[in-house]
Amino acid sequence: DAGVTQSPTHLIKTRGQQVTLRCSPKSGHDTVSWYQQALGQGPQFIFQYYEEEERQRGNFPDRFSGHQFPNYSSELNVNALLLGDSALYLCASSLFGEGGQPQHFGDGTRLSIL
Amino acid sequence: DAKTTQPNSMESNEEEPVHLPCNHSTISGTDYIHWYRQLPSQGPEYVIHGLTSNVNNRMASLAIAEDRKSSTLILHRATLRDAAVYYCILQYNQGGKLIFGQGTELSVKP
Repeated sequence: DAGVTQSPTHLIKTRGQQVTLRCSPKSGHDTVSWYQQALGQGPQFIFQYYEEEERQRGNFPDRFSGHQFPNYSSELNVNALLLGDSALYLCASSLFGEGGQPQHFGDGTRLSIL
Repeated sequence: DAKTTQPNSMESNEEEPVHLPCNHSTISGTDYIHWYRQLPSQGPEYVIHGLTSNVNNRMASLAIAEDRKSSTLILHRATLRDAAVYYCILQYNQGGKLIFGQGTELSVKP
């Protein structure tokens, strides 16, 4: 049973460019959340997708956008990259429902901005 | 969003029990208490969660105070593979977003 898979594992971009990161959820899961983890910090919630709609959003600018496809996979897009966007981007999947749903994380995409 | 407070670091000896504390004095009645751990170069791994009652699973036990303002993750016999950053997180009843703090870095000595 495959867990959460993310691609690519590493990516190098320059300031001002745009990037797309991809996530396939764990089999049977219908909800995808994205997190940003700066070096030495805990992950920060970006947004969550369910039924192809953004359900919740953290304190991130509009440069960060996402999409969920009918097969529950998801993309995270970041426009106009800044040096501060360098981080590990984590995808987590879960079952949508009230309370207490554990999230299963992938190993992330390491994004470096030059 | 309700916040949690954990010690920055803790040390343990191999094969001894470990008690990782967490304070969450602003917890609301519908917040779930979650614990995740993260090994270097990996994504966070779910450990355990609970609402009001103590919980046990194959990885650990979760002890929740009666007033729910604190909780303790218990690893019954620490192994070298348990060395990781442990995060105590409050999850709002609806929506499921996880708000991570700084976590506790656990080191295990042989």
